[in-house]
Amino acid sequence: SAVISQKPSRDICQRGTSLTIQCQVDSQVTMMFWYRQQPGQSLTLIATANQGSEATYESGFVIDKFPISRPNLTFSTLTVSNMSPEDSSIYLCSVEETPEGQGTDTQYFGPGTRLTVL
Amino acid sequence: GQNIDQPTEMTATEGAIVQINCTYQTSGFNGLFWYQQHAGEAPTFLSYNVLDGLEEKGRFSSFLSRSKGYSYLLLKELQMKDSASYLCAVSNRDDKIIFGKGTRLHILP
Repeated sequence: SAVISQKPSRDICQRGTSLTIQCQVDSQVTMMFWYRQQPGQSLTLIATANQGSEATYESGFVIDKFPISRPNLTFSTLTVSNMSPEDSSIYLCSVEETPEGQGTDTQYFGPGTRLTVL
Repeated sequence: GQNIDQPTEMTATEGAIVQINCTYQTSGFNGLFWYQQHAGEAPTFLSYNVLDGLEEKGRFSSFLSRSKGYSYLLLKELQMKDSASYLCAVSNRDDKIIFGKGTRLHILP
């Protein structure tokens, strides 16, 4: 499967500031996804990052709060803007691949970025 | 609405067998996934079921009953390294993957 890296791995930020998280994949992929995993909660899809077009946001997430860039087929960024303590979470990027012998796409995840907002 | 239910926590003994259940209600069904997530790490893919029945992969097996909206993950010959959260996830008719909250599995020596 694709090798996915994220930077930073963790950060502690002040309320009202913004943080940009980078996601790098070692192969070209059509779609990249950004998830949030709050403590004790399930993974929640924030948006799908499409190369060459605007990201597609899920209900409850907006571009002003979580702007996304996808400049090429191997890279994406997610910015968490005007942060509040409620944004403290793990943010994960993922890509879809179809494992050999399996007829459907499967999500593979990066290592995540652990964000704490004070 | 869309809902995936699995137990919050389970405890089992090293060398034993444990079954983690998952029930789901989603808008359409395009397959069910199980992921393993160690504390502080990203989820890693374990298994995929789209047809009814049992899929075996080494010490791990996953079962699906679409008519019952039910799946389980069976872990045999438990090892200490199996202590992790196990996430059940369903791909719905829009190919969106909905995740459950995960089951934290504690393995006792």
